[in-house]
Amino acid sequence: NAGVTQTPKFRILKIGQSMTLQCTQDMNHNYMYWYRQDPGMGLKLIYYSVGAGITDKGEVPNGYNVSRSTTEDFPLRLELAAPSQTSVYFCASRPGQSYEQYFGPGTRLTVT
Amino acid sequence: AQSVSQHNHHVILSEAASLELGCNYSYGGTVNLFWYVQYPGQHLQLLLKYFSGDPLVKGIKGFEAEFIKSKFSFNLRKPSVQWSDTAEYFCAVIPTGANNLFFGTGTRLTVIP
Repeated sequence: NAGVTQTPKFRILKIGQSMTLQCTQDMNHNYMYWYRQDPGMGLKLIYYSVGAGITDKGEVPNGYNVSRSTTEDFPLRLELAAPSQTSVYFCASRPGQSYEQYFGPGTRLTVT
Repeated sequence: AQSVSQHNHHVILSEAASLELGCNYSYGGTVNLFWYVQYPGQHLQLLLKYFSGDPLVKGIKGFEAEFIKSKFSFNLRKPSVQWSDTAEYFCAVIPTGANNLFFGTGTRLTVIP
């Protein structure tokens, strides 16, 4: 199994541009998550999904959107990039019967 | 507000020194507890977890943690650190029945050879 994969690894955006961060897992996990990690702040939850077609906001959802059309994929959309969205973004997944989350390698995003 | 606190932001140790990193949480009910490690430039990896049973849990690479319910704590320990333990360590908590993990702000460990 590849586990949780994320693309791209790095991206530089200009203010106002849009992009989609991709996340795919091949473990048939129901739950998927998007976090952002800022220095000294730990991980903050952006959005999560408990299954295909179901998403919900986390702690810091403003400026982001998600969709979950399949079990495997959970893309994160930034519509109008702002410098405050400069961060490292991690996707994670877990099966329904366990609380342990499995993390992807991350996407480092810079907005200038 | 519910939270996870990691008291040490940056810890610097010499090789072979003993390590203890503090973690406290503020949830009142049953919780599930984790320690994750993030090596430089890498993603988070699970060190150990506690769901129930023996409050002293052992993880990978010689790490262990003790759950003390009365103190709402889940401190991470290692008797003798190595240079390769240099990393950032995150405590995380998920209340039973909840959907989300709540993370502490992390502790950066630097081990000097």
